[in-house]
Amino acid sequence: QKEVEQDPGPLSVPEGAIVSLNCTYSNSAFQYFMWYRQYSRKGPELLMYTYSSGNKEDGRFTAQVDKSSKYISLFIRDSQPSDSATYLCAGVGSGYALNFGKGTSLLVTP
Amino acid sequence: SQTIHQWPATLVQPVGSPLSLECTVEGTSNPNLYWYRQAAGRGLQLLFYSVGIGQISSEVPQNLSASRPQDRQFILSSKKLLLSDSGFYLCAWSTGTAYEQYFGPGTRLTVT
Repeated sequence: QKEVEQDPGPLSVPEGAIVSLNCTYSNSAFQYFMWYRQYSRKGPELLMYTYSSGNKEDGRFTAQVDKSSKYISLFIRDSQPSDSATYLCAGVGSGYALNFGKGTSLLVTP
Repeated sequence: SQTIHQWPATLVQPVGSPLSLECTVEGTSNPNLYWYRQAAGRGLQLLFYSVGIGQISSEVPQNLSASRPQDRQFILSSKKLLLSDSGFYLCAWSTGTAYEQYFGPGTRLTVT
């Protein structure tokens, strides 16, 4: 079983919609959780990271972690066509290796 | 500000040929450096990481090796490429923590 699971999508939403992207993980040792955005044929870009359970907001993006259910979420408000990309979630414990999901492909249509 | 470079951007190599991919970071000192591979249909997989010059840790057994000859330079190598080495190779850096890793633009390798 892969340590981080993510629905690959694709997820298609109209411009202005609220987007919910989700991951589950199995490793209880994970303490930090990250969301990356990856445009086609580009390197991943770190959007935000959170520590343990709770919420973190950055502009239109909100990350949410529930360690009791091992569930990670990213919400995007007022989605834009420029948000169309693949979104990767990841977790890390005390080591150096980020454990990534396979990514969810998001398409925001004008 | 910090910048990370990778080259080449794309590479097509025959099976059995050698490989050398280079990554350099600007604007920071003593970064942690990482090599990841992203294969089609699979997630990002950490191959090597380094916390200092000459210090390399391997995460998976494979046909590849890594070296760090200078503080901000990380090299991924192979003596003989396999078809299964095809993929998108990404270099990343972080400061003392692992949870804030920043990726380079990547090298797309096709082994034919």
